Amino acid sequence: SAVISQKPSRDICQRGTSLTIQCQVDSQVTMMFWYRQQPGQSLTLIATANQGSEATYESGFVIDKFPISRPNLTFSTLTVSNMSPEDSSIYLCSAGRPSLVTEAFFGQGTRLTVV
Amino acid sequence: SQQGEEDPQALSIQEGENATMNCSYKTSINNLQWYRQNSGRGLVHLILIRSNEREKHSGRLRVTLDTSKKSSSLLITASRAADTASYFCATAPSGGGADGLTFGKGTHLIIQP
Repeated sequence: SAVISQKPSRDICQRGTSLTIQCQVDSQVTMMFWYRQQPGQSLTLIATANQGSEATYESGFVIDKFPISRPNLTFSTLTVSNMSPEDSSIYLCSAGRPSLVTEAFFGQGTRLTVV
Repeated sequence: SQQGEEDPQALSIQEGENATMNCSYKTSINNLQWYRQNSGRGLVHLILIRSNEREKHSGRLRVTLDTSKKSSSLLITASRAADTASYFCATAPSGGGADGLTFGKGTHLIIQP
């Protein structure tokens, strides 16, 4: 199992600014992922954070808006850039390798409100 | 993009009753997982069923998988007030790649005391 610490847990930000969310795993993990959960909605995969290389983004998400870093096997950051109210969501970090028939572990999420 | 559809979107039952939630998906999967989310916080893994399995149990949970219909169901027996939460199914793609999970829309379950 893995314990994931995510911070901040919540923030209220002004439009046009950027917020960096940190995700720390208590053990080395191969795969880390970032998800977005818009109000009242389900989770949507933003990107796969690759250690030592550029993140792999899903359709509809771009690096300029959501730059991701993964400097080692236990840590990743997601930045939400040039925020607008539409970016108000919960952002969740996850670790695991679902396609290898293992559960994914999730942080507690960052609740972002853009005003 | 979302590939899972879940029904019902909301379910309210009396404590002690059984709750059944359904999930459908569109593509080939390696496995299907169910998660619980309390009050918009982090997700808690409940149960995983592989694509070659048809039924799995864990405590008060029973999951079925029908790959021919691309559907799954989650049954919670003898529900408790603490089961009030949102429940999501999530699929992992076949192929053993490095993909994340694709989540269904979720069912919001309310257990009335």
